[in-house]
Amino acid sequence: AQSVTQPDIHITVSEGASLELRCNYSYGATPYLFWYVQSPGQGLQLLLKYFSGDTLVQGIKGFEAEFKRSQSSFNLRKPSVHWSDAAEYFCAVYGQNFVFGPGTRLSVLP
Amino acid sequence: GAVVSQHPSWVICKSGTSVKIECRSLDFQATTMFWYRQFPKQSLMLMATSNEGSKATYEQGVEKDKFLINHASLTLSTLTVTSAHPEDSSFYICSAQGGGHQPQHFGDGTRLSIL
Repeated sequence: AQSVTQPDIHITVSEGASLELRCNYSYGATPYLFWYVQSPGQGLQLLLKYFSGDTLVQGIKGFEAEFKRSQSSFNLRKPSVHWSDAAEYFCAVYGQNFVFGPGTRLSVLP
Repeated sequence: GAVVSQHPSWVICKSGTSVKIECRSLDFQATTMFWYRQFPKQSLMLMATSNEGSKATYEQGVEKDKFLINHASLTLSTLTVTSAHPEDSSFYICSAQGGGHQPQHFGDGTRLSIL
């Protein structure tokens, strides 16, 4: 069975600082990997996805993520955080089925 | 592209009534649609998966007679909460998938409040 962990429940960064949100998965093969963002009271928006090929994928809103097979990780990064990035972030894995991580809440200090 | 519309966005109703929530894929055909429930500050809880023209597959612990799901076409799925009670108050989110390993695309959610 596949699983997804997001070790950080809540992260606070200052505006303009860099950001890295961690995601680790467990699956017997290379899964398809996704990052979603959810603003309060809204649905989820797809930030980026990894299917195959280049392990560094670019997404919307200046986000990128790197797939590291050896670490079973797919961490999300952004070089300079904006106040509007404050939201809940979910990592998701599609192997046999779709599984979402528990989410990481990002707070941004002015 | 890949827009999913969910309606209504917020509904308040009396205990005992039934509420229908619609989920539409506007610019693609959704072979599979998912219904989630989300409690405050928690992750998504998958309730059921539906494929067009087939009966929905419910997750363990989800009452199929309570949460009726219909996926009559490749662009529309509905969730009906029957005889709703205050404990059914929650944020319900649908998503649609074009097939295979394609990403799920989400609606904006429906906040259901049962008085």
